[in-house]
Amino acid sequence: AQSVAQPEDQVNVAEGNPLTVKCTYSVSGNPYLFWYVQYPNRGLQFLLKYITGDNLVKGSYGFEAEFNKSQTSFHLKKPSALVSDSALYFCAAYNFNKFYFGSGTKLNVKP
Amino acid sequence: DSGVTQTPKHLITATGQRVTLRCSPRSGDLSVYWYQQSLDQGLQFLIQYYNGEERAKGNILERFSAQQFPDLHSELNLSSLELGDSALYFCASSGGDSRQETQYFGPGTRLLVL
Repeated sequence: AQSVAQPEDQVNVAEGNPLTVKCTYSVSGNPYLFWYVQYPNRGLQFLLKYITGDNLVKGSYGFEAEFNKSQTSFHLKKPSALVSDSALYFCAAYNFNKFYFGSGTKLNVKP
Repeated sequence: DSGVTQTPKHLITATGQRVTLRCSPRSGDLSVYWYQQSLDQGLQFLIQYYNGEERAKGNILERFSAQQFPDLHSELNLSSLELGDSALYFCASSGGDSRQETQYFGPGTRLLVL
């Protein structure tokens, strides 16, 4: 079965420290990969996407993601976390006309 | 503000009933996507319409149906509602049909089935 996994339900990091939110996928072919963020009582907001090309993708709000084909991973990263980054993050894959979402990772950035 | 609007914001109904959720895409966007977000199932893709035609289908139950009208707004119809249908329903829109397109999400409709 096709799926996207986010192995951590929650990630805690101190403000100013680097953060990583992990994502691995099991989707056949060469899926497009996405990261979305969801703030409380809000819809999802697009952060970045990988289609092809450079394995390091830069996105909104200083986030970037690293695509690793051999490990089928697409981890979200940020060099210096902000308290305002605290939210729910979703990884998604798109292939063959279907979207597959991970279960979400709650990021807590403490001052 | 993404430019995508959804009505109503909240909906409370009883089991066995039927409801209609409405989505207006961003101006100029031709694709509309519907998603269901629930505690136990997470975020699931339901269906996509492009310029009035069904384009892709995900985990949408037979009790659910959708359509996109000539003015490009979309409606998601949920019938014979069950307790498990309680969830947040999002729609999103994008400019075209390509899977490369960035999707812009609406604020969601929170459905509670009692």
